[in-house]
Amino acid sequence: DTGVSQDPRHKITKRGQNVTFRCDPISEHNRLYWYRQTLGQGPEFLTYFQNEAQLEKSRLLSDRFSAERPKGSFSTLEIQRTEQGDSAMYLCASSLASVAGELFFGEGSRLTVL
Amino acid sequence: AQTVTQSQPEMSVQEAETVTLSCTYDTSESDYYLFWYKQPPSRQMILVIRQEAYKQQNATENRFSVNFQKAAKSFSLKISDSQLGDAAMYFCAYRSFKETSGSRLTFGEGTQLTVNP
Repeated sequence: DTGVSQDPRHKITKRGQNVTFRCDPISEHNRLYWYRQTLGQGPEFLTYFQNEAQLEKSRLLSDRFSAERPKGSFSTLEIQRTEQGDSAMYLCASSLASVAGELFFGEGSRLTVL
Repeated sequence: AQTVTQSQPEMSVQEAETVTLSCTYDTSESDYYLFWYKQPPSRQMILVIRQEAYKQQNATENRFSVNFQKAAKSFSLKISDSQLGDAAMYFCAYRSFKETSGSRLTFGEGTQLTVNP
C-alpha cells in the first residue's frame, strides 16, 4: 500500500496523559500536513512541513502540541497533558511541493480523552 | 482570511437521480483553487474534483461536475446518476494560489449525503 498511513487508528487516554501519533506519507511527497477534525466539522489546519522544516503552525496548535518530521519522511504529532477538548480525529496528508499538488489523506487517528 | 461555508448539513437523493451540493466562500484573492473532497465513513478523504479560479470552464469528472460562479463566490457540486457508493460526507475546500500558503486547505463544515435505494 503506497498511501498515507497513520498509527494508531484509535487512542483512548485519560486526561493529563501524553499521546503521540505517527504519519507515514507517500514516499515521494515532500510536504506533510496535520489537520484536526471534530465531529460534524470540517478539518482544521494545524501545521505543515516541507521536508524536515516546519513552515507554518496554526494558532490552534497550543504549546501542548508539538510536531516533528526529523528526516523529512515520517512525522509525529505529540499532545502533552491531554484535555477533553483534544478529543478529535487527527488527519495527516501529504503532497508534492507545488501549488497544484494534490493532498492525499490518511485514514486518521481518533483520539478520545476521558 | 478565507472562509468556506456549506449551508446544507445533510442531503439525500434517490439512486440514479441528480443532487447538487452547495458551497460559498469568501476571499480577497483573485487566484485560487477550489475542491470537493469525499469522506466515506471510516475511510480517508479523497479528492472528487477541483477547479482553478482562472479557468472559466466548469470542471467535470465523469458523473461529477461543478458550477463555479466566481463573482458570486459560489462553487456547487452536481452528482449525476447517484450511486449507493456516493454516500459520504462531502467537503468543499479552498486553497490559495500563493506559494506562501503551502498548499494548505480551508474546509467547509461538510454535507452528509445519503443515497436511498
